[in-house]
Amino acid sequence: KAGVTQTPRYLIKTRGQQVTLSCSPISGHRSVSWYQQTPGQGLQFLFEYFSETQRNKGNFPGRFSGRQFSNSRSEMNVSTLELGDSALYLCASSLGTDNTEAFFGQGTRLTVV
Amino acid sequence: KQEVTQIPAALSVPEGENLVLNCSFTDSAIYNLQWFRQDPGKGLTSLLLIQSSQREQTSGRLNASLDKSSGRSTLYIAASQPGDSATYLCAVPTNTGNQFYFGTGTSLTVIP
Repeated sequence: KAGVTQTPRYLIKTRGQQVTLSCSPISGHRSVSWYQQTPGQGLQFLFEYFSETQRNKGNFPGRFSGRQFSNSRSEMNVSTLELGDSALYLCASSLGTDNTEAFFGQGTRLTVV
Repeated sequence: KQEVTQIPAALSVPEGENLVLNCSFTDSAIYNLQWFRQDPGKGLTSLLLIQSSQREQTSGRLNASLDKSSGRSTLYIAASQPGDSATYLCAVPTNTGNQFYFGTGTSLTVIP
């Protein structure tokens, strides 16, 4: 059974650019959540999608957005990149019924220069 | 808002030692608690999930306990090995959806 797949694994972008990250959940999982991890702030919740609808949203500016497709794959987009957006972005997959076990991907390391 | 704390922040032990990692949370109305392991620069690996109705959950050398009334969970690692060196995170979900509150983690080093 394939795990959670995140692409790309590494990205280097310039300030002001935009970026799109992708997450393919475990087959049969309908919920995808996104987290930002930085050394100073730890793991911070960005948003969760379930059946193509955003179900929860964290406290991030509108430059951070996401979507989910009918096959449960999810993308997140960050526009007008800032140096502070450099982080490890992790997505988590779960069945989607409340409070089930979450499985994480390997993450995308974004570096903004 | 739920707050999750992990103590200690870092721990260094000789190989073979048994050890306990602690996790505390402020809102005891949780549905479950999950323990994860993270290797440097990598994603999170799920170790154990304890439902609110359970007191303990075991997987190999790992044993996690949950005391909702006191807002605490412990992860017990028996006979530690150098390969156990990693950061260990506990997480509790919100009551709606699958948003997790994470602790700041315990960085474990097992010395051969």
